[in-house]
Amino acid sequence: DAKTTQPPSMDCAEGRAANLPCNHSTISGNEYVYWYRQIHSQGPQYIIHGLKNNETNEMASLIITEDRKSSTLILPHATLRDTAVYYCIVRLRSGGYNKLIFGAGTRLAVHP
Amino acid sequence: EAGVVQSPRYKIIEKKQPVAFWCNPISGHNTLYWYLQNLGQGPELLIRYENEEAVDDSQLPKDRFSAERLKGVDSTLKIQPAELGDSAVYLCASSPREGSTGELFFGEGSRLTVL
Repeated sequence: DAKTTQPPSMDCAEGRAANLPCNHSTISGNEYVYWYRQIHSQGPQYIIHGLKNNETNEMASLIITEDRKSSTLILPHATLRDTAVYYCIVRLRSGGYNKLIFGAGTRLAVHP
Repeated sequence: EAGVVQSPRYKIIEKKQPVAFWCNPISGHNTLYWYLQNLGQGPELLIRYENEEAVDDSQLPKDRFSAERLKGVDSTLKIQPAELGDSAVYLCASSPREGSTGELFFGEGSRLTVL
């Protein structure tokens, strides 16, 4: 399994971009990078995923380095509702099925 | 579209008592997961079902935990007897068949407190 390393916590001012880093130096060529977030007292919520190209959707952008050993999740204009734990996960394929292994994540606090 | 539904949301029991959690996945999702989440930690996979078959239960403590997914739809996770260390949030998730984006859809979880 490729493991990920994330800072335990980060702060961001409301309206500013939040850039959440993730290291996954042992990722293999066919493994994807997934990002989920978990707001207090809720289940995790999918944000975005990518293989090697940068990706963008209505929630965030995902920047993956050329060597694929690290990535950054970008929330372009953070709001108070973005306060959550953000998980960077490398997707392990086991027996042909999806398998996601969560780490401890980064606790993002967005403040006024 | 209705999301993953779990019940109960909260359960408080005394140690050695049994407890059961129920999950209704999103309609049409073949794969169902049960995760355990301890305070301050990320979710850990307990068991994964593909339709009614448990395809990965390697992390399920089989001495006291059991799960079933009859007819390949709803699922129940049971603990008997419960121990103090079982206090945690039990999350259910579902996903479409392999070949999709790999996104998992989670319920809100069932928070268990064992006294």
